[in-house]
Amino acid sequence: EAGVTQSPTHLIKTRGQQATLRCSPISGHTSVYWYQQALGLGLQFLLWYDEGEERNRGNFPPRFSGRQFPNYSSELNVNALELEDSALYLCASSLGVSRLTEAFFGQGTRLTVV
Amino acid sequence: GQNIDQPTEMTATEGAIVQINCTYQTSGFNGLFWYQQHAGEAPTFLSYNVLDGLEEKGRFSSFLSRSKGYSYLLLKELQMKDSASYLCAVRHDYKLSFGAGTTVTVRA
Repeated sequence: EAGVTQSPTHLIKTRGQQATLRCSPISGHTSVYWYQQALGLGLQFLLWYDEGEERNRGNFPPRFSGRQFPNYSSELNVNALELEDSALYLCASSLGVSRLTEAFFGQGTRLTVV
Repeated sequence: GQNIDQPTEMTATEGAIVQINCTYQTSGFNGLFWYQQHAGEAPTFLSYNVLDGLEEKGRFSSFLSRSKGYSYLLLKELQMKDSASYLCAVRHDYKLSFGAGTTVTVRA
């Protein structure tokens, strides 16, 4: 069974551009979470989607947005990129909110803003 | 809001035991997770506790006390490959919030 997959693995953008990151959850999982991990820092919660709806978002500006598709895959969009957006972006998936007993991570997308 | 605290670093000898503590203050607690993360890699799920007590999985055990807002991860028979960052994460409301992680270094 395939795990959580993220694409692309690496992404290089210039300041002011937009980035789109993608996540495919484990089959049967309906919840997707996005995290930002800057170098040497902890995981910062970005967004939580379940059954196609945004359930919660972390303390990030509105230029961080996303969506979840009917097949439960998800996109994270970052507009007007800033240098400090350079980080590893991790996606995790789990069974629905009421059945969250395990959450598995993808390998992440390393975003570099130059 | 939430507050999840764990020590920054721990060092132990191969074959020994290490206990990583995690304290939390969150609203609407719904479970606690432990993850292992090697440098440059994604976190790997280790354990989940929602009720008080000890959960054992091979060399790793995790304990939870909800009344004290406290958990620990116990690593036994340490191996060099256990050198990694260990993350405590708390599910609360519609969030899964992580502590900053404890870097464990295993020495020969």
